[in-house]
Amino acid sequence: SAVISQKPSRDICQRGTSLTIQCQVDSQVTMMFWYRQQPGQSLTLIATANQGSEATYESGFVIDKFPISRPNLTFSTLTVSNMSPEDSSIYLCSAHLGGETQYFGPGTRLLVL
Amino acid sequence: AQSVTQLDSHVSVSEGTPVLLRCNYSSSYSPSLFWYVQHPNKGLQLLLKYTSAATLVKGINGFEAEFKKSETSFHLTKPSAHMSDAAEYFCVVSSSNTGKLIFGQGTTLQVKP
Repeated sequence: SAVISQKPSRDICQRGTSLTIQCQVDSQVTMMFWYRQQPGQSLTLIATANQGSEATYESGFVIDKFPISRPNLTFSTLTVSNMSPEDSSIYLCSAHLGGETQYFGPGTRLLVL
Repeated sequence: AQSVTQLDSHVSVSEGTPVLLRCNYSSSYSPSLFWYVQHPNKGLQLLLKYTSAATLVKGINGFEAEFKKSETSFHLTKPSAHMSDAAEYFCVVSSSNTGKLIFGQGTTLQVKP
């Protein structure tokens, strides 16, 4: 199984600022995904990131708020822009390794004050 | 459209007794189904997956699940609960053509001594 790491593991940020979260996979993958898990909630897909093309966003998520980069087949970033307390969540990346199974990073725990 | 419903938001069992976490799915074609577990302050771990092979799927830590097409169910079971099983469990359905995962709302498993 792939090993997926995320940085930072947690952060406390002031409202109005932005945070970029990094996701690194130890093997090349075609598709990467970003999820949000609000406090006490399930996971919601933010966007799908394919290398060489713009990310595809789910309903309710927009590029201006959550810009995503996918510069190569092992790395992606998610930026949470102009943050508000409502953005306090766990943000997780995952990698789709062909087949049907996705593996998840450990998550980034974000608190916005 | 695909969806998944976890029938119990909270399940409490005594250590050594059986565990049953219920999940129903909706899919217009043969789905791929997963159970993930999330321990407090930890990332998501894959417990098991069904991808149209054997309908009884064995996973890690003694968990298993049975795919029942007639009932559109994929319930998770374990014969004997252990204290370390206390966690949040997610039933997930995958879209085979997009790779997207759709998460259920989660079931919190409490294990009492």
